[in-house]
Amino acid sequence: AQKVTQAQTEISVVEKEDVTLDCVYETRDTTYYLFWYKQPPSGELVFLIRRNSFDEQNEISGRYSWNFQKSTSSFNFTITASQVVDSAVYFCALSEAGGGFKTIFGAGTRLFVKA
Amino acid sequence: DAGITQSPRHKVTETGTPVTLRCHQTENHRYMYWYRQDPGHGLRLIHYSYGVKDTDKGEVSDGYSVSRSKTEDFLLTLESATSSQTSVYFCAISDPSNTGQRNTEAFFGQGTRLTVV
Repeated sequence: AQKVTQAQTEISVVEKEDVTLDCVYETRDTTYYLFWYKQPPSGELVFLIRRNSFDEQNEISGRYSWNFQKSTSSFNFTITASQVVDSAVYFCALSEAGGGFKTIFGAGTRLFVKA
Repeated sequence: DAGITQSPRHKVTETGTPVTLRCHQTENHRYMYWYRQDPGHGLRLIHYSYGVKDTDKGEVSDGYSVSRSKTEDFLLTLESATSSQTSVYFCAISDPSNTGQRNTEAFFGQGTRLTVV
């Protein structure tokens, strides 16, 4: 069965600090997809990144970077030089090709960035 | 932005009454999902659909039913609403392919806040 664990419920940092959000997943499938979403205080869910199980390359997009490690079943998200606008709830999610592509989410990590 | 519309956006209903939430998409995506979001639980999958009249249960399907008679519409019904079904409900769509990762990500509607009193 697929499962996503985000052990950090809330994180509070001061602006310009770097912060890493952890995501650990469980799957028996060999073909799967991992995602990160952002939910700002306004409530909408914003897609940030997708990674498939055959591509372990790390990715950087501006101040955001993602570290995918199959050996530890982790897909961690780092924000460099955090800003107040990064304050949001961040969700990690998993979709299995063999599981009908249903997407399962972690419980989310609420990030507070203080000025 | 993906064309996903949820209706209504807000609803207050009484315990024991039936409620139907509608999700409409203009993207012609094959998969549609209903999630509920509650504090401390993140997003939990209620039901999903992988085609017209093809649906399956998610993690928290008890007390909910769904129907999909057209590609663009996915309905979530609470047959007899209970206070435990007070939540924010999100619809999502995706269009995954077994041959590649195109459109595997889910795009979400703006949510429906349902209060059962």
